[in-house]
Amino acid sequence: EVQLVESGGGLVKPGGSLRLSCAASGFSFSTYSMNWVRQAPGKGLEWVSSIRSGSEYVYYADSVMGRFTISRDNTGNSLYLQMNSLRVEDTAVYYCARPKNQDPYYFYGMDVWGQGTTVTVSS
Amino acid sequence: DIQMTQSPSSLSASVGDTVTITCRTSQSVSDYLNWYQQKLGKAPKILIYVASNLQGGVPSRFTGSGSGTDFTLTITNLQPEDSATYYCQQSYSTPYSFGRGTQLEIK
Repeated sequence: EVQLVESGGGLVKPGGSLRLSCAASGFSFSTYSMNWVRQAPGKGLEWVSSIRSGSEYVYYADSVMGRFTISRDNTGNSLYLQMNSLRVEDTAVYYCARPKNQDPYYFYGMDVWGQGTTVTVSS
Repeated sequence: DIQMTQSPSSLSASVGDTVTITCRTSQSVSDYLNWYQQKLGKAPKILIYVASNLQGGVPSRFTGSGSGTDFTLTITNLQPEDSATYYCQQSYSTPYSFGRGTQLEIK
């Protein structure tokens, strides 16, 4: 079964750090780019970051640039999001999501999603 | 960055009705436009990819169309289980922006 399972969420104070993990199984993780998408309480979806299959390119939303770092371990089939200098507005459910296609140049949307992990930034 | 304008923000319809949701992008995304359905407390689910391609397992009641900057998601013969929020997303260039969502209520 193709599956993504996020972990690492929790309550953190503004300015703090957190590292999210996403464990992938059931597919050839090393051949896919991967993404993080978040959803603030009661709000819509926001794409956060993407990483190519070999980590050769990474991309970020302006709202997290310079504070968040995406990385992956293809040997361990895991995706990570290191979140530093957290702000109240980073409070959200964070999803990892796999693209539908393996071609890094043509992105056909995301067809496999984890269940999400909740990050709460509050003093 | 590409801006997404999705409308309406909410709508209410009855079982058996047909509804249309539109998504407009601030610049051409060719056909790199995807549609997702999200039910309360659940992860999003892709319905349509690359404008008009139906994801496997998704009922044929869902149809996507458009190219360039104007896209539509049409749901025919509405069913109670279609009650959800629907999002468009462009996958043409980063940041891969989403529309603000359309909340569909089934009366």
